[in-house]
Amino acid sequence: GDSVTQMEGPVTLSEEAFLTINCTYTATGYPSLFWYVQYPGEGLQLLLKATKADDKGSNKGFEATYRKETTSFHLEKGSVQVSDSAVYFCALILTGGGNKLTFGTGTQLKVEL
Amino acid sequence: DAGVIQSPRHEVTEMGQEVTLRCKPISGHDYLFWYRQTMMRGLELLIYFNNNVPIDDSGMPEDRFSAKMPNASFSTLKIQPSEPRDSAVYFCASSHSWGNQPQHFGDGTRLSIL
Repeated sequence: GDSVTQMEGPVTLSEEAFLTINCTYTATGYPSLFWYVQYPGEGLQLLLKATKADDKGSNKGFEATYRKETTSFHLEKGSVQVSDSAVYFCALILTGGGNKLTFGTGTQLKVEL
Repeated sequence: DAGVIQSPRHEVTEMGQEVTLRCKPISGHDYLFWYRQTMMRGLELLIYFNNNVPIDDSGMPEDRFSAKMPNASFSTLKIQPSEPRDSAVYFCASSHSWGNQPQHFGDGTRLSIL
């Protein structure tokens, strides 16, 4: 079945460090890919998305590129801030799958001064 | 635009009591999803609706859980009787059906069963 695999957390970085959170997927069709972010005590918020191969989603300095050849959608940010501390979820929707999201397990990011 | 609205934000009750969680989706969205989030099991999809009709309830843990969507602007998730292991954060989300549209989440209901 369809699945999303994320790197284990927590990831701890110093402020202004470069961030990569790896995400790979398995899907029988052509999914749309998403990154969601969950700040403490809040619901999940859509961070960025990409709907076809080679698309790059970007928002708030974060970006991720849909790589069909490696079935990956790694999240990157050039310079993280303390306020980026949150849990990040990679997810996919399969076309014709009823808008049902398949989530990864989430990766906690902690950014320290 | 108003987002997905859930109520209550927090609920503390004793085991055996009936619990009702409420959700108002974003206007115009025709998919509605209920999730449960715990430290042990992460984020689990419980049930989802399309045009007020339940499509997949395979994630509902047992018969004590039920969900309804009487109209396009309101859904409930009910637990009766509640048990301590039901303690979790319950999220509602909604989305459009056209294309692979992302889901928009509410802020959740933090449920504690004593």
